Amino acid sequence: NAGVTQTPKFQVLKTGQSMTLQCAQDMNHEYMSWYRQDPGMGLRLIHYSVGAGITDQGEVPNGYNVSRSTTEDFPLRLLSAAPSQTSVYFCASSYSTGRGPWSEQFFGPGTRLTVL
Amino acid sequence: GIQVEQSPPDLILQEGANSTLRCNFSDSVNNLQWFHQNPWGQLINLFYIPSGTKQNGRLSATTVATERYSLLYISSSQTTDSGVYFCAATSGETSGSRLTFGEGTQLTVNP
Repeated sequence: NAGVTQTPKFQVLKTGQSMTLQCAQDMNHEYMSWYRQDPGMGLRLIHYSVGAGITDQGEVPNGYNVSRSTTEDFPLRLLSAAPSQTSVYFCASSYSTGRGPWSEQFFGPGTRLTVL
Repeated sequence: GIQVEQSPPDLILQEGANSTLRCNFSDSVNNLQWFHQNPWGQLINLFYIPSGTKQNGRLSATTVATERYSLLYISSSQTTDSGVYFCAATSGETSGSRLTFGEGTQLTVNP
């Protein structure tokens, strides 16, 4: 298993440009999520999905769109990039334990995004 | 939502020393994880420990859910233990696993 993969590893954008950060997992996990990490801080949840066709907002959703058409993929779209979106973006996945809480989350390697 | 606080914010050790990192949370949890973020930025799962005690080599963790805290113990520290240690928790969630992260403990282990 490759686990959780993210592309690209690095990206530089100009203000106003759009782009999509890719996230894929091959573990058949129902739950996927996107976090951002700013310098000196912990991660903050942007959007998450509990299964194909279902998405919801996290703590900091503004400026980002997501969709979940398959179990494997969960892309994050920036429609009009702003310097405030300069950050490191992590994708994560987990699975249902069948009752109660979800499993531990598994994180991808991250995408370092700079918006000029 | 749940609040997660970690202490100390910074810790400097000599190689071979032991340390304890603390994570306090404001609500009952159904998911608590410890991560190590290495100097290359990679997040490494250390423990999934909503309650009880677990050990993995030189590392161990204990969560006392009733008192709303978790501890991460590092024994005989090595320079490769350097990095940031994060605690993250979820509470009261029945749909999804919305982890809330603490701000981390920056650990530096000197040779």
